[in-house]
Order: sequence, then C-alpha cells, then structure tokens
Amino acid sequence: EVQLVESGGGLVQPGRSLRLSCAASGFTFDDYAMHWVRQAPGKGLEWVSGISWNSGSIGYADSVKGRFTISRDNAKNSLYLQMNSLRAEDTALYYCAKDFGAALTYFQHWGQGTLVTVSS
Amino acid sequence: AIQLTQSPSSLSASVGDRVTITCRASQGISSALAWYQQKPGKAPKLLIYDASSLESGVPSRFSGSGSGTDFTLTISSLQPEDFATYYCQQFNSYLIFTFGPGTKVDIK
Repeated sequence: EVQLVESGGGLVQPGRSLRLSCAASGFTFDDYAMHWVRQAPGKGLEWVSGISWNSGSIGYADSVKGRFTISRDNAKNSLYLQMNSLRAEDTALYYCAKDFGAALTYFQHWGQGTLVTVSS
Repeated sequence: AIQLTQSPSSLSASVGDRVTITCRASQGISSALAWYQQKPGKAPKLLIYDASSLESGVPSRFSGSGSGTDFTLTISSLQPEDFATYYCQQFNSYLIFTFGPGTKVDIK
C-alpha cells in the first residue's frame, strides 16, 4: 500500500524559512516523479512543485519560484520542500503526491498533508 | 499560462441523477487532463487520467471525455458517497500544472 507521510509544517513568521519532508513507502520510490500541492484554507488546489524520478526535471509554480526548492533523496525514500522568504499567502495545507509515472504528469497518490501557517 | 475553467461551480443533485461537469482549457492540451474528487477534510483522489482513462479501483459510473480544450466528467448514477468537490487538472511540456477552480456537488 502506498503511504506518503508529510511532516515539518507549523507556525512561522513572515520572511522565515521552513522545510517540509515526505516519507514514502509501499512503492519503488525512485521509479516515480513526486510533487508538492497546496490548498489554502477553504480554497482550491494549487500545484507548488514537482521533481522527476532522477531529479532531472524540476518545475515550480510562478508563485513560489525563487523562494522554494524541491529535492529528493532516493536512498531515503524521501521528498523535501525548502521554503524560504515565506509570506502570508503561503499559508496552506501542503500535500505530498506521487506521480503516475517517472515523468511529471498526474497526482496518483496523496498524503494527508502538513499545515503551514505564516503569521506574525 | 494555460487556465482551466469549470462549470458549474456548484450543483445540487439527487441520488441516481446523471451529473456532468465541464472543464475548459484556455488553449489546446490534447488529452493531458485528469479529474480528482475531494471530500471535506480528505486528500484528493485521482478518478480519471488522460481525459478518459479510469484510474484503477474507481467505480465505472465515473467517465471522462474530451480532447483539445473541452472536457467532461460524467457520473452516470450519483451515489451518496459521490457528494464532494471535483477538480480538473492539466499538465504540459513546460512543467506547468494547473487545477480548475472546482465544482462542488451537494445533495438536493
């Protein structure tokens, strides 16, 4: 069974940094691309960033480009999101999602999310 | 950037009804479209990918169609567990992923 467990969320002041982690199990991690998708309270879904199986392809939403960095450690079956210069509008539930395949396409499996609140 | 619009934004329906939700892309995306279902307090669930392929384990009352700019998600006979919000999503070769704004399906 695919399991994705996010961690690292919390309350952080504007301008500060936070690092999210996603621990994956139940599948061959380095066969699949991975993503971060967020959902602000009461709002819709927003793709944040994605990374291919070998980190050869990486993409970011314009709203986070230059501030967030996605990475993965295939030896540890883990996905990360380094978030710098956080803003109030980054407040959201952040989901880790497993792609359908090795490239970046669809979000086949999702974790339960970790909540990031940016506030002074 | 490619924008996705969904209609309607919400609808009320009864158990057994046939429900159709439309997703329109601002430019052609071939068949690179998926549909997700999200229930309150839960993570989204993939229903349809490549516009019309049913994800494993998803009931056959769900179907998708379309290509280019116009797509539809159809629920042939609405069940109590289908009351949820539905999102379409596209991807392209420029590594841009977009969701539609969502369609909330609730009980009439």
